[in-house]
Amino acid sequence: DTAVSQTPKYLVTQMGNDKSIKCEQNLGHDTMYWYKQDSKKFLKIMFSYNNKELIINETVPNRFSPKSPDKAHLNLHINSLELGDSAVYFCASSQGGVSGANVLTFGAGSRLTVL
Amino acid sequence: QKEVEQDPGPLSVPEGAIVSLNCTYSNSAFQYFMWYRQYSRKGPELLMYTYSSGNKEDGRFTAQVDKSSKYISLFIRDSQPSDSATYLCAMRSGNQFYFGTGTSLTVIP
Repeated sequence: DTAVSQTPKYLVTQMGNDKSIKCEQNLGHDTMYWYKQDSKKFLKIMFSYNNKELIINETVPNRFSPKSPDKAHLNLHINSLELGDSAVYFCASSQGGVSGANVLTFGAGSRLTVL
Repeated sequence: QKEVEQDPGPLSVPEGAIVSLNCTYSNSAFQYFMWYRQYSRKGPELLMYTYSSGNKEDGRFTAQVDKSSKYISLFIRDSQPSDSATYLCAMRSGNQFYFGTGTSLTVIP
């Protein structure tokens, strides 16, 4: 009954490889996000989708490409991995909108290590 | 200047102490204020959220917002070793969330 689930939880790969992280939420939320958390715990927004439409696209290398097949899923594909991509990637979802119910629910994170 | 400023700590207190965690912000458009707790190797979990200036209490936790000073606080009473975690403040304007850098808290038994 996990609310926001991400796979894989750990990913160790070589520089130059391509990898994907998948995210699914069963909360009925219509907005999903990808955040990157560096070693200093700072959470940086990367992308956000609302009902499969990209609404936030921060300054992120175009090696990162999100895909949302439906409002319950948001995947992140990373091409040509670099050492600096090593981080924990969090998927999150929210109800969207401007009401007080719009708070983020996070997944457990996907720890990516690029060697 | 970052949108949200938070002292990263680390903060170390004895069990039973009152803990005060703080954030300041610069954007008057922020309407909702949240505190997330993140245990090591876990995702952030929502602890409290508030809208208006004033206090909101939930058990041992009190969230305080002062919009005029652009300052928010989280107080933890009777702190427990299980409260040891990183605490992240977050603020929202529309669909955009802005996070502080997190404060690492250790409660020593």
